[in-house]
Amino acid sequence: EAGVAQSPRYKIIEKRQSVAFWCNPISGHATLYWYQQILGQGPKLLIQFQNNGVVDDSQLPKDRFSAERLKGVDSTLKIQPAKLEDSAVYLCASSLGSWEETQYFGPGTRLLVL
Amino acid sequence: GNSVTQMEGPVTLSEEAFLTINCTYTATGYPSLFWYVKYPGEGLQLLLKATKADDKGSNKGFEATYRKETTSFHLEKGSVQVSDSAVYFCALSDLGGADGLTFGKGTHLIIQP
Repeated sequence: EAGVAQSPRYKIIEKRQSVAFWCNPISGHATLYWYQQILGQGPKLLIQFQNNGVVDDSQLPKDRFSAERLKGVDSTLKIQPAKLEDSAVYLCASSLGSWEETQYFGPGTRLLVL
Repeated sequence: GNSVTQMEGPVTLSEEAFLTINCTYTATGYPSLFWYVKYPGEGLQLLLKATKADDKGSNKGFEATYRKETTSFHLEKGSVQVSDSAVYFCALSDLGGADGLTFGKGTHLIIQP
């Protein structure tokens, strides 16, 4: 069974530029999560989708971050404009979404903002 | 709100030593508890979990017991191997893992031969 796919794996941009990350969850997984992991910290949830609807985006900085999950499968996370403090690893995870279902994580996208 | 506190690393041990990584939590409800692990070059993966008080999660020789009275979920292993070198994250969920996880900062474990 293929795991969660993410691209790109690495990205370097200048501050104030925009960037987009892509995630393809495990086939059949209804729930998709985006986490931000800053160096030395644990992952922090940014947004959770159930199919193509948003369940929780309370920690998403909506003035610069946006995310969508068209057709309830792939998802894209965008930052515009990027700030230095956005340098982090962006992790995508997916699950069947029910009680006690495991969240499976992708390899992450490492973003460096200069 | 929810929070997880785990011991600072790095933790350096010799092979075959006994391992404990402490984890305590604060939660408004009755959470499920998890240990995730990130091996070098690999993605974050579930190691073990427990969903109610006094439950013991176990996997690959690792164990952790859900202690509601002390709000703790300490990770233990009787005899570590070099291959256990990784970063370990304690996490909690209000909805059995269906919602977003709240993670600790992670503990880097280094096992020397």
